[in-house]
Amino acid sequence: GAGVSQTPSNKVTEKGKYVELRCDPISGHTALYWYRQSLGQGPEFLIYFQGTGAADDSGLPNDRFFAVRPEGSVSTLKIQRTERGDSAVYLCASSKQGTLNTEAFFGQGTRLTVV
Amino acid sequence: QQQVKQSPQSLIVQKGGISIINCAYENTAFDYFPWYQQFPGKGPALLIAIRPDVSEKKEGRFTISFNKSAKQFSLHIMDSQPGDSATYFCAFTGRNTDKLIFGTGTRLQVFP
Repeated sequence: GAGVSQTPSNKVTEKGKYVELRCDPISGHTALYWYRQSLGQGPEFLIYFQGTGAADDSGLPNDRFFAVRPEGSVSTLKIQRTERGDSAVYLCASSKQGTLNTEAFFGQGTRLTVV
Repeated sequence: QQQVKQSPQSLIVQKGGISIINCAYENTAFDYFPWYQQFPGKGPALLIAIRPDVSEKKEGRFTISFNKSAKQFSLHIMDSQPGDSATYFCAFTGRNTDKLIFGTGTRLQVFP
C-alpha cells in the first residue's frame, strides 16, 4: 500500500474485554513501531519490531499489552482485560530499517475507547 | 520519565509571522532530533530533522536551530501560513536505540 494502514480506525469496547489492533506497514519496511497517544499529549513509545522479533518492548505498560509480528510484516497489538485508562489513539509507524535517521512513517491511528 | 521539555504549549501567530517552538532535553546521548507535524485525525509526519554535528538546518520555510551546549533545539517557521496550523512535536532518539521519544507538543494556530 501507499502508506501505513491501521484497522479499525475506531474501536469502542467495554471494560474488561479483549481487543486487537492491526497495523499494515509500508511494503519492504523492516522496522515497525507502536505508540500510544493520549489527548493533548505526544506519542508514547510502546514497542519496536525489527523483522519478526521485538527489539524493544520497554514501553509496554503492563502484561495486559502484547504485540506480535509473526511474518515480519503485519503486526497486531493485543490488549487484554481493557481498562478505561487504556482509551487513547494507538499509532503504528514503520521505517525501512531500524537505524538512526531513518524516517518513520505513521498511520492514522486506531482510536480506542473503553467504556 | 519526561526527558524533553517543549514550549510553548500553544502558539497563535498572524499570517506572515514567525513561529518559534523550543525543546530542551536532558540526556546528552541523544543523537537525532526530528520535528513532526500532526493534523487532527492524522498520524504525525516528519517535517525536518537534524543531527547534533550541525547547528542549523533549513528546508524551505522551516529551520531547526541546535544548541548542543545548552541542550536545546528549536523550530522556526518563517512566513507562517494558515495551512501550518497543526500540532508540532519535537522528538529524539539515542545512539543505540531506534525508538522516538516525543515532546508534549505545541498547538500552532495561524490566523489570516
